[in-house]
Amino acid sequence: GAVVSQHPSRVICKSGTSVKIECRSLDFQATTMFWYRQFPKQSLMLMATSNEGSKATYEQGVEKDKFLINHASLTLSTLTVTSAHPEDSSFYICSARGAGTKPHEQYFGPGTRLTVT
Amino acid sequence: GEDVEQSLFLSVREGDSSVINCTYTDSSSTYLYWYKQEPGAGLQLLTYIFSNMDMKQDQRLTVLLNKKDKHLSLRIADTQTGDSAIYFCAEAGGGGADGLTFGKGTHLIIQP
Repeated sequence: GAVVSQHPSRVICKSGTSVKIECRSLDFQATTMFWYRQFPKQSLMLMATSNEGSKATYEQGVEKDKFLINHASLTLSTLTVTSAHPEDSSFYICSARGAGTKPHEQYFGPGTRLTVT
Repeated sequence: GEDVEQSLFLSVREGDSSVINCTYTDSSSTYLYWYKQEPGAGLQLLTYIFSNMDMKQDQRLTVLLNKKDKHLSLRIADTQTGDSAIYFCAEAGGGGADGLTFGKGTHLIIQP
């Protein structure tokens, strides 16, 4: 099956700094990538949808200036958490889909655990 | 808005059947999914059902969909210790939105 990787798997940063998370599709071209956020014992919440070469579409309540998403190539999307605060600590998961695929043909990365101190 | 609900915990004995339930609110859902998440791992798609079906069976897994009541269930026959994980119900809407709406996940605990 298709493989999606995320890097780093865990990151600890100080409050006020920025941190970048990468999401890569390893064996297929991902025309669409999704970023989710998961709190403990909570569901995954869709943050934004990004299509290669265009601006990301953010869900209501997600600050686009705080969570910068770049999808510059068909195999890489990045999420940058700017000026991170402790409340941004969470598990961030990306998923990727190829062109013309159904919603279930969406492959998830293993997630990145962000801790802001 | 869209909402997907499921209970947080289910405890079953090894060898018994597990039934995980889910309710959703979006009547335009076209696909409904069950994902499995093991500790430290990503989400694994277990199975899915199209909204015009009422049942789907795949080896030990049986999915039942009651579209009228907006109720989805996942039955795992002969539950094994390797089935211990968090199971997420999710739905994809029919309005062109691509992202999935997930429930909070049901933690399946297997008793020896």
